[in-house]
Amino acid sequence: AQKVTQAQTEISVVEKEDVTLDCVYETRDTTYYLFWYKQPPSGELVFLIRRNSFDEQNEISGRYSWNFQKSTSSFNFTITASQVVDSAVYFCALSRGSGTYKYIFGTGTRLKVLA
Amino acid sequence: EAGVTQFPSHSVIEKGQTVTLRCDPISGHDNLYWYRRVMGKEIKFLLHFVKESKQDESGMPNNRFLAERTGGTYSTLKVQPAELEDSGVYFCASSHRTSGVTDTQYFGPGTRLTVL
Repeated sequence: AQKVTQAQTEISVVEKEDVTLDCVYETRDTTYYLFWYKQPPSGELVFLIRRNSFDEQNEISGRYSWNFQKSTSSFNFTITASQVVDSAVYFCALSRGSGTYKYIFGTGTRLKVLA
Repeated sequence: EAGVTQFPSHSVIEKGQTVTLRCDPISGHDNLYWYRRVMGKEIKFLLHFVKESKQDESGMPNNRFLAERTGGTYSTLKVQPAELEDSGVYFCASSHRTSGVTDTQYFGPGTRLTVL
């Protein structure tokens, strides 16, 4: 069975601090995809990144970076120099590489960045 | 390019009533998905359309839920009769490719359903 665990329910940081959101996944598939989405107060889920299981390179996009480690089944997300606009709920998701394309989501981590 | 849109944004109904949610996917996207988030829990998959056909409806909770996608464009999700446990946020998502590759899904803002 597939499962995504986001153990951090809520995190509060002060602006300009770095923060890491944890995501641990379970799957028996060799081919799978991992995703991060941001849900700002407006409610929509905003796509941030997609990573397939064969690509373990870390990725950096501006202040955002992602650390994918198959050895620990983790796909962690770091925001550097956080800003108030980063305040949102962040979801990690997992999808199989074939057969069914549904996403398995974690419960989300609420990030509060205080000015 | 317009994103995924959902209507209504909020709906408050009484137990036993009927509610219909609508989703308009991104133009040209053949894949359309419905998900639901009950308060504080994970977002759970309900079903997947490829054009007008139901590809996977394994997440539909029971036969009080009926999803349609006539003509392969917009989709509706009807709950009849609604129960208290149906309360939550219903998300719609769409994606482009139909080949055997997991594609990125783009989500709408959700419909918040409250059943009293």
